[in-house]
Amino acid sequence: DAGITQSPRYKITETGRQVTLMCHQTWSHSYMFWYRQDLGHGLRLIYYSAAADITDKGEVPDGYVVSRSKTENFPLTLESATRSQTSVYFCASSEQAGKTQYFGPGTRLLVL
Amino acid sequence: AQSVTQLGSHVSVSEGALVLLRCNYSSSVPPYLFWYVQYPNQGLQLLLKYTSAATLVKGINGFEAEFKKSETSFHLTKPSAHMSDAAEYFCAVSDGGGTSYGKLTFGQGTILTVHP
Repeated sequence: DAGITQSPRYKITETGRQVTLMCHQTWSHSYMFWYRQDLGHGLRLIYYSAAADITDKGEVPDGYVVSRSKTENFPLTLESATRSQTSVYFCASSEQAGKTQYFGPGTRLLVL
Repeated sequence: AQSVTQLGSHVSVSEGALVLLRCNYSSSVPPYLFWYVQYPNQGLQLLLKYTSAATLVKGINGFEAEFKKSETSFHLTKPSAHMSDAAEYFCAVSDGGGTSYGKLTFGQGTILTVHP
């Protein structure tokens, strides 16, 4: 029972580099979400997806790109990393809209 | 637009004392409300949720929350704190679906410290 996994768990990169954070869920949930967690801000939604090939912007999408070619995967790409993107990133999934979201363990990203 | 305010970024209680974590929300539609807990270096785990059924919701680990529409509140309580309750707690609101896909809006979090 793997649930929802994220990789890598920790990543250090440099300003300007492209970084991809992976998210994989084994439940075949339709909905998937990416959040970032920063001190004083709680969790903020970056992008979300209702199904394969259906994605939409959240509250803080600038500098990020997502894709969803398969239901179980929802990668998040930082096209050109900036220091302000240093954060903890959480992926979540839910079976239906409004149902409980289940969170992955997070990826800690440091941009130097 | 929806929003969540958690009053108090840090709450400290003694072991065995009442835990009260405050959450107020705003929503233009009947809300779904959630409390999540985050232990250090882990993801978020659902404590409980309100989805328009009973206004008093019981969750895991002895926590409960009461939905009060007139006060737009969804405060989290536990009668007797345990050392293992030390964590960060997040309140979140969703419109339950529709065009927003049930996306969550989170409060800023409350760190609970439990003293022996």
